[in-house]
Amino acid sequence: EAQVTQNPRYLITVTGKKLTVTCSQNMNHEYMSWYRQDPGLGLRQIYYSMNVEVTDKGDVPEGYKVSRKEKRNFPLILESPSPNQTSLYFCASRHIGGSGKAGELFFGEGSRLTVL
Amino acid sequence: GENVEQHPSTLSVQEGDSAVIKCTYSDSASNYFPWYKQELGKGPQLIIDIRSNVGEKKDQRIAVTLNKTAKHFSLHITETQPEDSAVYFCAASYNQGGKLIFGQGTELSVKP
Repeated sequence: EAQVTQNPRYLITVTGKKLTVTCSQNMNHEYMSWYRQDPGLGLRQIYYSMNVEVTDKGDVPEGYKVSRKEKRNFPLILESPSPNQTSLYFCASRHIGGSGKAGELFFGEGSRLTVL
Repeated sequence: GENVEQHPSTLSVQEGDSAVIKCTYSDSASNYFPWYKQELGKGPQLIIDIRSNVGEKKDQRIAVTLNKTAKHFSLHITETQPEDSAVYFCAASYNQGGKLIFGQGTELSVKP
């Protein structure tokens, strides 16, 4: 089954304790991205990657890191989490097509993070 | 940069009624407009999209209309059913492969 898998789905942590949210896709997609969802703000892009070893900042990258060492995995790293990073996080992936065409964006089921 | 405004933030309708969600975008270069449905506890899923070379697209009970001059687009759901209850997001980008900018989301509740 084609899917984007995130772990953990739920996490409560404390300020300053490093954590990693993993994301894996089995569709051989080139493009992967992380979003955070907050009430009234919709989905905001944190980081994205166009391919292995290629990452770039989205709209709200402060406090986050990512890596893309393998095509299928795109972990989100919070080196020193703070309460304002309490949010619902989504990983997404899609094919990159030619001439401006691209595949549908597929989302994972989300990771709800609480930072105390 | 591109900005997408979505209204209303919440919408409650009776089963069988129609629901309309509206979005406006700021960048006239945007030409791809998808709509995503997010069910409770799940990630958003694409339900319909439209490109700027057409004014309307329909898929069974859902339709999307686009007014390029006014820079707004709308999602129409007819004969609503309880399973239509979800959060709906509009989005805009330059080409399907461009960066998607999402609206704030609309929580639709369909009451039986």
